[in-house]
Amino acid sequence: GQSLEQPSEVTAVEGAIVQINCTYQTSGFYGLSWYQQHDGGAPTFLSYNGLDGLEETGRFSSFLSRSDSYGYLLLQELQMKDSASYFCAVRDPYGQNFVFGPGTRLSVLP
Amino acid sequence: DVKVTQSSRYLVKRTGEKVFLECVQDMDHENMFWYRQDPGLGLRLIYFSYDVKMKEKGDIPEGYSVSREKKERFSLILESASTNQTSMYLCASSPKREGLGEQYFGPGTRLTVT
Repeated sequence: GQSLEQPSEVTAVEGAIVQINCTYQTSGFYGLSWYQQHDGGAPTFLSYNGLDGLEETGRFSSFLSRSDSYGYLLLQELQMKDSASYFCAVRDPYGQNFVFGPGTRLSVLP
Repeated sequence: DVKVTQSSRYLVKRTGEKVFLECVQDMDHENMFWYRQDPGLGLRLIYFSYDVKMKEKGDIPEGYSVSREKKERFSLILESASTNQTSMYLCASSPKREGLGEQYFGPGTRLTVT
């Protein structure tokens, strides 16, 4: 089976940089995804890492180390609108479904 | 632009009622999913479907069934609603292509069972 761990909460100030970590235990591995969810909204896809290294998309970057079963989402130049929950997810290597981590609630303070 | 729509944003039902939640996607995705989301428990997979008329149980299928008669539509059915099924229900779709990690979610249905 698959299990993922994330910190439950992270707090940072506007303009800062924050890193949200995700560790996983899987019986196989197809890559790590990240999603953002604002209160009352649906999760939206942010990024995907299939191979080791850093993927950058604007202010957001995501990193993966398969040897360490570890990844992180890096948010730079934080804005108030970045306050949301962030989920990491892995794809089941034996099927088409996904397993999500418990989520990290990010609060950005002025 | 991928669009996943769900039939209702808010729904209130009584214990014992049969409840239908509908989901439609317009991107010709093979895979469709139903999750429920509860505070502190994250997203939990109820059922998913990788093709028309095909279905697979997720982590918490008890008390639920699904139907996929057309590629674009995936229905979640609560045969006899109970108060512990009060939750946010999220539908999602994804393409079958390997090497991609994205799912596209609908806006969610907040179901209250009284």
